[in-house]
Amino acid sequence: QVQLVQSGAEVKRPGASVKVSCKASGYIFTSTYLHWVRQAPGQGLEWMGIINPDGGTTYYKQKFQGRVTLTRDTSSSTVYMELSGLRSEDTAVYYCAKEGGEYWGQGTLVTVSS
Amino acid sequence: EIVMTQSPATLSVSPGERATLSCRASQSVSNYLSWYQQKPGQAPRLLIYDASTRATGIPARFSGSGSGTDFTLTISSLQSADFAVYYCQQYNSWPLTFGGGTKVEIK
Repeated sequence: QVQLVQSGAEVKRPGASVKVSCKASGYIFTSTYLHWVRQAPGQGLEWMGIINPDGGTTYYKQKFQGRVTLTRDTSSSTVYMELSGLRSEDTAVYYCAKEGGEYWGQGTLVTVSS
Repeated sequence: EIVMTQSPATLSVSPGERATLSCRASQSVSNYLSWYQQKPGQAPRLLIYDASTRATGIPARFSGSGSGTDFTLTISSLQSADFAVYYCQQYNSWPLTFGGGTKVEIK
């Protein structure tokens, strides 16, 4: 069965970086895009970007350009989302999701606090 | 960027009643529109894709309609498990965008 398993919660200081992983299983990793979506506490869903695991090409929402980097490791079927220059407004649950929206990771809470 | 606007923000409905949720796009998204249900502490759950196709395992009481800029999610007879927040999302063009959500609460 398809599964996306994300890394655990993180607490970071303002200005730091965080790297969240999303390990895929149950399907051919390079066959479909993976998205990243975040949700601030009590707020709605915000799409951040997408990566094509076959080749590694990416597209980022302009708001995150220069601060977010999506990468993948095909040997471990894992994608990574790194967000730099963290500020309090980046406190959110970060999700990876398989193209099509049917499968999501469990979410990773990133807390940015001094 | 395509802006998705959902209405109402909150919908109070009694169990067994019909719920109608609206989603409007700032420009045409053809039928590239999904609906998600989200409960507290959970990841979103895909209900509808391509505006009107139910995802795997989604009960028939959920239906979607519309194309272009105006879309509707209808829940024909609300059950207790249906009280949640619902989001629409367009995937016609990048960046993908979500509506602000409609909270369906018990009346």
